[in-house]
Amino acid sequence: GAGVSQSPSNKVTEKGKDVELRCDPISGHTALYWYRQSLGQGLEFLIYFQGNSAPDKSGLPSDRFSAERTGGSVSTLTIQRTQQEDSAVYLCASSLNVGGIFLKAFFGQGTRLTVV
Amino acid sequence: QQPVQSPQAVILREGEDAVINCSSSKALYSVHWYRQKHGEAPVFLMILLKGGEQKGHEKISASFNEKKQQSSLYLTASQLSYSGTYFCGTFANAGGTSYGKLTFGQGTILTVHP
Repeated sequence: GAGVSQSPSNKVTEKGKDVELRCDPISGHTALYWYRQSLGQGLEFLIYFQGNSAPDKSGLPSDRFSAERTGGSVSTLTIQRTQQEDSAVYLCASSLNVGGIFLKAFFGQGTRLTVV
Repeated sequence: QQPVQSPQAVILREGEDAVINCSSSKALYSVHWYRQKHGEAPVFLMILLKGGEQKGHEKISASFNEKKQQSSLYLTASQLSYSGTYFCGTFANAGGTSYGKLTFGQGTILTVHP
C-alpha cells in the first residue's frame, strides 16, 4: 500500500473486554513496530518484529498484551481483559533495513482506544 | 532504556533558534529525529549514522557524537510551522551492527509564536 494502515481508527470498549488492533505495513518493509502514546505523553515502545526473527517483546506492559505478525506482513496487537489505563493511541510503524541500516520509520495514523 | 531529551519544552518567537538534545546510556548505531504535530502521526526528519556526521534539512540540522552517545537537533530562524513535539529515536550498536529496536526519547514540545 501507499502507507501504513491501521484499523480501526477509533475503538471504544468496555472494561474487561478483549480488543484486536490491526496494522498493515508498507509492502516490503521487514521491520514493524508497535508503540503506545498516552495523552500528551511520549512514544512507549511495545514490540518489534524483524523478518522471520523472534520478536522483541520487551516493551509489552503485561501478559494481557500480545502481538503477532503473519507472513511477515500484517500485524495484530491484542489486549485481553482491557483496563482503563490501557486507554491510549496505539501507533504502528514500519521501516526497511538496507545494508544493515534501519531507514526512516513510517507511522500509521494510529488506533485511539478508549476503555470505559 | 529510552534516551533522554532536553529541554522538555521550548517557546520561541518566529526567527529565533533552538537546540534540542538527546542523550543515551547505550552505545548507539544511528539516531533518527521525528516531529509530531497535534493529532497527527510522527513524521521523519532525518537520520544520522555513527561517525559524528551532521546533516541538514531546510533550516533544521542535526549532529551525532557517537562517542558521547549524544545527538542534537538545531532549528534556525524558526517558523510557525516548526511547532510540534520533537522526538529522537535511537538504534543501539550491537557489536558493530545496528539492533533494530527503535526507542524514542520522551519528546520536546516546541512552540513558535508570531
